[in-house]
Amino acid sequence: EIVLTQSPGTLSLSPGERATLSCRASQSVTSNYLAWYQQKPGQAPRLLIYDASSRATGIPDRFSGSGSGTDFTLTISRLEPEDFAVYYCQQYGSSLYTFGQGTKLEIK
Amino acid sequence: QVRLVESGGGVVQPGRSLRLSCAASGFTFSSFAMHWVRQAPGRGLKWVAVISYDGFNTYYADSVKGRFTISRDDSKNTLYLQMNSLRAEDMAVYYCARKQQLVYAMDVWGQGTTVTVSS
Repeated sequence: EIVLTQSPGTLSLSPGERATLSCRASQSVTSNYLAWYQQKPGQAPRLLIYDASSRATGIPDRFSGSGSGTDFTLTISRLEPEDFAVYYCQQYGSSLYTFGQGTKLEIK
Repeated sequence: QVRLVESGGGVVQPGRSLRLSCAASGFTFSSFAMHWVRQAPGRGLKWVAVISYDGFNTYYADSVKGRFTISRDDSKNTLYLQMNSLRAEDMAVYYCARKQQLVYAMDVWGQGTTVTVSS
């Protein structure tokens, strides 16, 4: 089973700043099948990015994904107040899925 | 609009069983693979199981294999999760989610149903 490790655990930034979130896999992710989700308190997760760098429908272009192999990054270019939430990465391989433990993005 | 609504959660004693349901609407249910994902209180997301669009293939996380069964009834546009031999560590909000076609990600999520395992 591939283990995903996200860092940092908590990221404190101000609106307008740039956020960089990391997701590292214990082994190479098959065909870069890596997705990112946003979850706000009391809500279901929302898909942001799939296949490492493709934005999901309706996702603003301030969200971007990059990376390959074992190292992936979610970047939010200019933080809006509604972006403060928990972010999860998720991978697929060998018919199984796993999530990272999450990064909490909080207002500084 | 596209919608998933979970039901069936509740309080159950350790060792007992519970069946969750997920009613789908607004899309052609029979064309999509479907997932169950859970989230323990204050914790992160954990993938539980997936079923193919035709119901022929199912896969499970090691933590639930042999105890949980995912199934679907396309005539009712409903996904199920049969949970047997429940343990304290199964206590969580359970979400159903749609697998995006041609992509290994989950593009539509329900609001979740809560399972509490307690004596």
